[in-house]
Amino acid sequence: DVKVTQSSRYLVKRTGEKVFLECVQDMDHENMFWYRQDPGLGLRLIYFSYDVKMKEKGDIPEGYSVSREKKERFSLILESASTNQTSMYLCASSLRNFETQYFGPGTRLLVL
Amino acid sequence: DQQVKQNSPSLSVQEGRISILNCDYTNSMFDYFLWYKKYPAEGPTFLISISSIKDKNEDGRFTVFLNKSAKHLSLHIVPSQPGDSAVYFCAARATTSGTYKYIFGTGTRLKVLA
Repeated sequence: DVKVTQSSRYLVKRTGEKVFLECVQDMDHENMFWYRQDPGLGLRLIYFSYDVKMKEKGDIPEGYSVSREKKERFSLILESASTNQTSMYLCASSLRNFETQYFGPGTRLLVL
Repeated sequence: DQQVKQNSPSLSVQEGRISILNCDYTNSMFDYFLWYKKYPAEGPTFLISISSIKDKNEDGRFTVFLNKSAKHLSLHIVPSQPGDSAVYFCAARATTSGTYKYIFGTGTRLKVLA
């Protein structure tokens, strides 16, 4: 059974804090993705990675960075959290040439 | 600039009837289309997909139709069940520099009334 896990379900942080969101998949997938979901805006791609140490900007990368040191782990970093980064963050993974993505349960982040 | 649009934010259907969820897109280079279902406090789960070279794909109660000339995609659920109540996202895949990128719509909340 495919599994994508995210380190936290809920997180509350203060403006200016550095925030780490971790995602781990156990399916040996090459591709990993970070999205944020906001009401009325759907899922928007922040960053994705198609291999270890590789990363590509998505549609809204500003204010975020990522790290992929191991194939199974993809981290999203908010260098200095701001209130407009309050959102639901979803991690996903997929095989290199396969169309289906598998999503984690999401992390609901509140920045005060 | 929303390349994938779901113009109906919500839909209510009686149990046993057909649910039709719609999706429009603007980029003719999309090569795959997918539907995901999302329950509250869970991540989206894959439901059904269709390649751009096909016009229909069926899986049990779920059928996806693709009209390339109209750049329109629809998901039919027959018969609808209360457990189908969720938010449905359509997504389209684009290939850029050999990697895949997925563009999601804004979602349609389906409520199936018992």
